[in-house]
Amino acid sequence: QVQLQGSGPGLVKPSGTLSLTCTVSETSISSSEWWTWVRQPPGKGLEWIGEIYHSGTTNYSPSLKSRVTISIDTSRNLFSLNLNSVTAADTAVYYCARQRRLHRAFDIWGQGTMVTVSS
Amino acid sequence: QSALTQPASVSGSPGQSITISCTGTNSDVGNYDLVSWYQHHPGKAPQLMIYDVSKRPSRVSSRFSGSKSGNTASLTISGLQAEDEADYFCCSFAAGNTYVFGTATKVTVL
Repeated sequence: QVQLQGSGPGLVKPSGTLSLTCTVSETSISSSEWWTWVRQPPGKGLEWIGEIYHSGTTNYSPSLKSRVTISIDTSRNLFSLNLNSVTAADTAVYYCARQRRLHRAFDIWGQGTMVTVSS
Repeated sequence: QSALTQPASVSGSPGQSITISCTGTNSDVGNYDLVSWYQHHPGKAPQLMIYDVSKRPSRVSSRFSGSKSGNTASLTISGLQAEDEADYFCCSFAAGNTYVFGTATKVTVL
């Protein structure tokens, strides 16, 4: 079945860049769906970060837009998240997910990657 | 954008029905029939339970149902089972082509 697997460093220094990758298996990332990043700080609710289509079209959360870049590599069937100028407030579990565009719902999720921002 | 408001916890005995509310605004829940619900067991990937307010993926039990009235969406779990114990959160498409999530509800089966 379709699987998403997030990966990346679990520790990032303040003011540095958080970089995560989500590898998609058992389906082509060039399908008609969108690919999303969501995060959950400890003890808090989920926050939508942004999304990308295989064409490279992106949409970002207005609150994070100035610091976020989401990219896609169709040859390797993966998409990535870069978040720069991080602070402790960016400490969270980061999830990648597939979005069924017609329904604006996230039907497949990765298990999540815990990222801590600390010196 | 503020998070959608959900009760922190809801509990029920096996076999009972419980309902989780998800309150937003007329910029999200009230304006779009694009509310989804997710079940999340800690440490695991969230699972889509309801989409388009009230539709169920084929793998999801008919014990789960969704509805919406005004700015509030609801998830009802009928015939509560021990395996239903988990965190549940809602999500709505919102103005500006964004998404807003709920504050999450912990369901406890007594």
